[in-house]
Amino acid sequence: DAEITQSPRHKITETGRQVTLACHQTWNHNNMFWYRQDLGHGLRLIHYSYGVHDTNKGEVSDGYSVSRSNTEDLPLTLESAASSQTSVYFCASSESTTGGYEQYFGPGTRLTVT
Amino acid sequence: GQNIDQPTEMTATEGAIVQINCTYQTSGFNGLFWYQQHAGEAPTFLSYNVLDGLEEKGRFSSFLSRSKGYSYLLLKELQMKDSASYLCAVMDSNYQLIWGAGTKLIIKP
Repeated sequence: DAEITQSPRHKITETGRQVTLACHQTWNHNNMFWYRQDLGHGLRLIHYSYGVHDTNKGEVSDGYSVSRSNTEDLPLTLESAASSQTSVYFCASSESTTGGYEQYFGPGTRLTVT
Repeated sequence: GQNIDQPTEMTATEGAIVQINCTYQTSGFNGLFWYQQHAGEAPTFLSYNVLDGLEEKGRFSSFLSRSKGYSYLLLKELQMKDSASYLCAVMDSNYQLIWGAGTKLIIKP
């Protein structure tokens, strides 16, 4: 069965360190997204990609970067982790952005920055 | 700005019916989604509305009124496993999803 996985599931890091969160999907979807979820807020879009070598900034992209070298993976990098980046991070993918195609979500990564 | 409003928390009784409302103001509209999210888990898709009216899918139904910027999710014959957060999301003119903060539904026996 196709799936979308994230690793690690939990991560504790120190302020100022670089951190990379992995996302891998076997749906063969062109569209991939990174969100963060914080109490009291809806899911907020960090970065997204519509295909290999395509990346775009979302609503809360400052301090984050992504790269898309193949269809399956969209790693998210925190260049210099800050306490404000403590959050739960979800990766998602979809077949299309039109026509009501749903986004499929990974299980999430809980990141704590101390 | 873009805004999605839904109640923070609702409580209902097992076997009953509950309606979760969502109002939105967005730049453009390309459909409204409802997702379910159990605590500590990923959101999962429930429904999609792009035209006005009611879409029924088993115990769950979703309604949309584009002129009023309003949707609701109706859950019938509530079961304990329906205890979860329900997320409303609108696809805007750029085909980006704008998410509400979610409604935590507590089911009591």
